[in-house]
Amino acid sequence: TQLLEQSPQFLSIQEGENLTVYCNSSSVFSSLQWYRQEPGEGPVLLVTVVTGGEVKKLKRLTFQFGDTRKDSSLHITAAQPGDTGLYLCAGPSNDYKLSFGAGTTVTVRA
Amino acid sequence: EAGVAQSPRYKIIEKRQSVAFWCNPISGHATLYWYQQILGQGPKLLIQFQNNGVVDDSQLPKDRFSAERLKGVDSTLKIQPAKLEDSAVYLCASSPWQGAGNEQFFGPGTRLTVL
Repeated sequence: TQLLEQSPQFLSIQEGENLTVYCNSSSVFSSLQWYRQEPGEGPVLLVTVVTGGEVKKLKRLTFQFGDTRKDSSLHITAAQPGDTGLYLCAGPSNDYKLSFGAGTTVTVRA
Repeated sequence: EAGVAQSPRYKIIEKRQSVAFWCNPISGHATLYWYQQILGQGPKLLIQFQNNGVVDDSQLPKDRFSAERLKGVDSTLKIQPAKLEDSAVYLCASSPWQGAGNEQFFGPGTRLTVL
């Protein structure tokens, strides 16, 4: 059973457009992590959000943790081909174990 | 700083054969994870080590999968015998210490195809 539901599953946009991907759960999380995985590589951590309502920015990427700590979103402004990849959210399912969502595959066309 | 190393990068075997994967974590990282990532899904934890002890192996199919980290450094994951449904990418990750909120550093993975 997936604790974290990600949507959409696939997203294909033109360079310069904006996009938002979502990560939702019925459970409250103490923190959530976002990873990006490029083809043929392992996931790389982008950000960790820990406080309800928190907003973090990483260049053109904006991450938000929901007030109830059950959801999170990732917004990319003016997407570039280098943003192409699988975006995964992950949250602790207990003190030491991380559970991942199924991910959103983002393709940015030049 | 060198990242997590995994080998081989690709492996093709027939069902019922055996296969082994190797992982060398980042130097000094006490926690090591093996994940299975099936196409279209997120990584699923198979086993977690803290130094050379097992923290969690609840999702490891123990009738066919085994893993060890004898000296608390590198680790091997073995499948014997392989099934078609074992086709996946096997990711190794490490972390300086135990704790779900900590960053995990992933290797490039081994893509296994079982025919």
